[in-house]
Amino acid sequence: GAGVSQTPSNKVTEKGKYVELRCDPISGHTALYWYRQSLGQGPEFLIYFQGTGAADDSGLPNDRFFAVRPEGSVSTLKIQRTERGDSAVYLCASSVGLAGGLSTDTQYFGPGTRLTVL
Amino acid sequence: AQSVTQPDIHITVSEGASLELRCNYSYGATPYLFWYVQSPGQGLQLLLKYFSGDTLVQGIKGFEAEFKRSQSSFNLRKPSVHWSDAAEYFCAVGETGYSTLTFGKGTMLLVSP
Repeated sequence: GAGVSQTPSNKVTEKGKYVELRCDPISGHTALYWYRQSLGQGPEFLIYFQGTGAADDSGLPNDRFFAVRPEGSVSTLKIQRTERGDSAVYLCASSVGLAGGLSTDTQYFGPGTRLTVL
Repeated sequence: AQSVTQPDIHITVSEGASLELRCNYSYGATPYLFWYVQSPGQGLQLLLKYFSGDTLVQGIKGFEAEFKRSQSSFNLRKPSVHWSDAAEYFCAVGETGYSTLTFGKGTMLLVSP
């Protein structure tokens, strides 16, 4: 079946612009995660959705970052007033979303969106 | 806060030789441990995971990992490396009942002929 898809695969923008990154999870997965991977680093957690609601947004670096998942499927990560330091690969993952002990839930990752802020 | 250390940034192994990638974690309770592999342009793929029980875990592609509580380690091993194993490998830890993962910085595996 289809895996997690992310669009666009690459995004180049200018400092100060607004960008939206889209994630399409595996069908039926209720849990969705966003991570950011900077050059030479491992992925860092940004936000986690269970269904339509953000269950944990403690990883969002500041209020320029926002994410939504209005129908409990597709999610959009939105970055306002982009800065050069926002350049990274943004990864999305989804999982079945088992109740209780969610760390045991295998996360399936998309290929990522490479964001470059000039 | 939990953390993961992968002390080797790069490792080069000859094709057919054995491999061990190191991972150390810092976490108070019994962690959930994962190894992922990332090939260029590809998403992270889960190789194996440890939650409880047998401390030697078998994964896909001939990989295995051993959880050693006394050493706070979860090293990844493969007896014979293939050229297609060249990729970046990430160790990650999850907390009990908590949904997100903390990743190490990764180890880039190079395979020489």
